[in-house]
Amino acid sequence: GAGVSQSPSNKVTEKGKDVELRCDPISGHTALYWYRQSLGQGLEFLIYFQGNSAPDKSGLPSDRFSAERTGGSVSTLTIQRTQQEDSAVYLCASSLVGGLQGDSRGYTFGSGTRLTVV
Amino acid sequence: GENVEQHPSTLSVQEGDSAVIKCTYSDSASNYFPWYKQELGKRPQLIIDIRSNVGEKKDQRIAVTLNKTAKHFSLHITETQPEDSAVYFCAAPASGSARQLTFGSGTQLTVLP
Repeated sequence: GAGVSQSPSNKVTEKGKDVELRCDPISGHTALYWYRQSLGQGLEFLIYFQGNSAPDKSGLPSDRFSAERTGGSVSTLTIQRTQQEDSAVYLCASSLVGGLQGDSRGYTFGSGTRLTVV
Repeated sequence: GENVEQHPSTLSVQEGDSAVIKCTYSDSASNYFPWYKQELGKRPQLIIDIRSNVGEKKDQRIAVTLNKTAKHFSLHITETQPEDSAVYFCAAPASGSARQLTFGSGTQLTVLP
């Protein structure tokens, strides 16, 4: 697609429910990243996918968080048993290559999913 | 891991004045430094980046300077306009990885008309 597409744009869920957030990266971008942005805060790294390599999950805050990327394209971030502290904007980004050496354009972000846990 | 510190957290300038935002990083091996602009309610967008083989890069009213010895880099916006009002984030590669970025905490820039 022309840009990174995320859905839904907004999600309100009850505490304890599971949620799935979707990211469709730019076609041909091999690297995909998930970040979390709490209100008025910076960008917190969650997970990184590069091609068929094992994902870097070092930023996931707990085992309630998981993500997968099917066919090297679409990614789904799943949060189980949501808590109020999970409320944030979840941003997905993609880049042309894994690693930042060859792509001067860096990341392209999606518009994010605003998750509210009530 | 890489630690990126950004200052100031908020900055107000009069329209037409210059704005400077500074970031420091900890990993001397870092070699790519992008800046992102995030308008209210919108996605972060790359506005300029610099690699460690140059000390300065300009794009119209925006420039970035890099001091590898001191491990800091700065964003300079000249002739500021109201549409420059946004949150600006600096970033550097996470230590031990050429992959994901570590972001600064952001600077809320307000350009006063």
